[in-house]
Amino acid sequence: GAGVSQTPSNKVTEKGKYVELRCDPISGHTALYWYRQSLGQGPEFLIYFQGTGAADDSGLPNDRFFAVRPEGSVSTLKIQRTERGDSAVYLCASRRDIHSSYGYTFGSGTRLTVV
Amino acid sequence: QQQVKQSPQSLIVQKGGISIINCAYENTAFDYFPWYQQFPGKGPALLIAIRPDVSEKKEGRFTISFNKSAKQFSLHIMDSQPGDSATYFCAASGAGGTSYGKLTFGQGTILTVHP
Repeated sequence: GAGVSQTPSNKVTEKGKYVELRCDPISGHTALYWYRQSLGQGPEFLIYFQGTGAADDSGLPNDRFFAVRPEGSVSTLKIQRTERGDSAVYLCASRRDIHSSYGYTFGSGTRLTVV
Repeated sequence: QQQVKQSPQSLIVQKGGISIINCAYENTAFDYFPWYQQFPGKGPALLIAIRPDVSEKKEGRFTISFNKSAKQFSLHIMDSQPGDSATYFCAASGAGGTSYGKLTFGQGTILTVHP
C-alpha cells in the first residue's frame, strides 16, 4: 500500500482482556518496528522485525506483550491480561530494510484505552 | 536511562520567526539523528536527519546543527508558519548489530506559531 496501515485506529477494552493490534507495512518493506507512545511522551521502542524474525524484542515491557510477523509482511501485536497502564498509542513503522539509509514511515497508530 | 533529552517542552513563536529546539544525547554509539514532526492523531513523519560526519544540514526552511563534541544537536525552523504548529521529536539510533534502526526519542516539543 501507499503507507503503513494500522487497525483498529481506536480500541477500548476492559482490564484483563486480550487485544490484538494489526500493522500492514508498506509493500516490500522488510523491516517493521513497533513503538508505544504515552500521552505527552516520545515513542518508546518495543520490538522490531527483519523479515519474519524478531531481531530485537528488548523493549517489550513484560511477557504479556508478544508480536508476530508470520509471513514477513503484516504484523500483529498481542497484549494479554491488559492493564490500565497499557493505555497508549501503539505505533507501527516500516522501512525497506534495517540497513536502509531512509527513515521510517510511521502509521497513524492504534489508540488503546484500557478501562 | 533517558538517553536523549529535548528542550524546551513547549515553544511559542510568531509567524515569520525562528523556532529552535535542542537535543542532547549520551550514547556515543549513536550515528543517525532524525527529527520527526507529529500532528494530532497522526504518526510521526520524518522531517530531516543528519549523520555525525557533517555539522549542519539544511532542507528548505529546516536546518539541523550538530555538535559531536558536545553531543548536542538542534533543529532550526526559519520563517516559521502557523502550519508548522505541531509536536517535534528528536531521535537517535546506532549502527551495527541488532540495534540498527532502533530509535530513541526525546520527550517532544509542542510548537505553536501564532499568525
